[in-house]
Amino acid sequence: SAVISQKPSRDICQRGTSLTIQCQVDSQVTMMFWYRQQPGQSLTLIATANQGSEATYESGFVIDKFPISRPNLTFSTLTVSNMSPEDSSIYLCSAEQPPYEQYFGPGTRLTVT
Amino acid sequence: GENVEQHPSTLSVQEGDSAVIKCTYSDSASNYFPWYKQELGKGPQLIIDIRSNVGEKKDQRIAVTLNKTAKHFSLHITETQPEDSAVYFCAASTIQYGNKLVFGAGTILRVKS
Repeated sequence: SAVISQKPSRDICQRGTSLTIQCQVDSQVTMMFWYRQQPGQSLTLIATANQGSEATYESGFVIDKFPISRPNLTFSTLTVSNMSPEDSSIYLCSAEQPPYEQYFGPGTRLTVT
Repeated sequence: GENVEQHPSTLSVQEGDSAVIKCTYSDSASNYFPWYKQELGKGPQLIIDIRSNVGEKKDQRIAVTLNKTAKHFSLHITETQPEDSAVYFCAASTIQYGNKLVFGAGTILRVKS
């Protein structure tokens, strides 16, 4: 199974600022995903990030708010832009390994004050 | 789009007893159904999955069953142990459409010793 790390593990940010979350996979993967998990809630898919193409966003999430980069087959970043307290959540990245399994990172716990 | 319902929301069992968590899905095109275990402060861990061409799958103390006709699938944990205490999430996806996981709301499992 893929081993996934995320940086930072947690952060406290001021409203109006931006935070970039890094996701590193220990092997090359085609598909990576970004999810949001609000406190005590389930996971919601933000976007799919395939290397070499633009990220595809789910309904309710837009590129201006959550820009994503995928520069190679082992790395991706998610930026949370112009943050408000409503963005306080856990942000998780995952990677798909054949045939279909998705493995998750430990998450980034974001608090916006 | 896909909708996944999960029951119960909380489940308390005595150590050694069995635990069953049930999920229903709405999209008949869904063909991949993983289960995740999430411990406090950690990312979700894939514990077992099943594909639509299989009715049942077992891995030691855990098993998953799938009823495609009724569109529901279940997680069975036998001989529960205190370390099984966690939040369990079911999910569904359609592999051909990018394997975007739609998660259930989660079940808090407490195993009392």
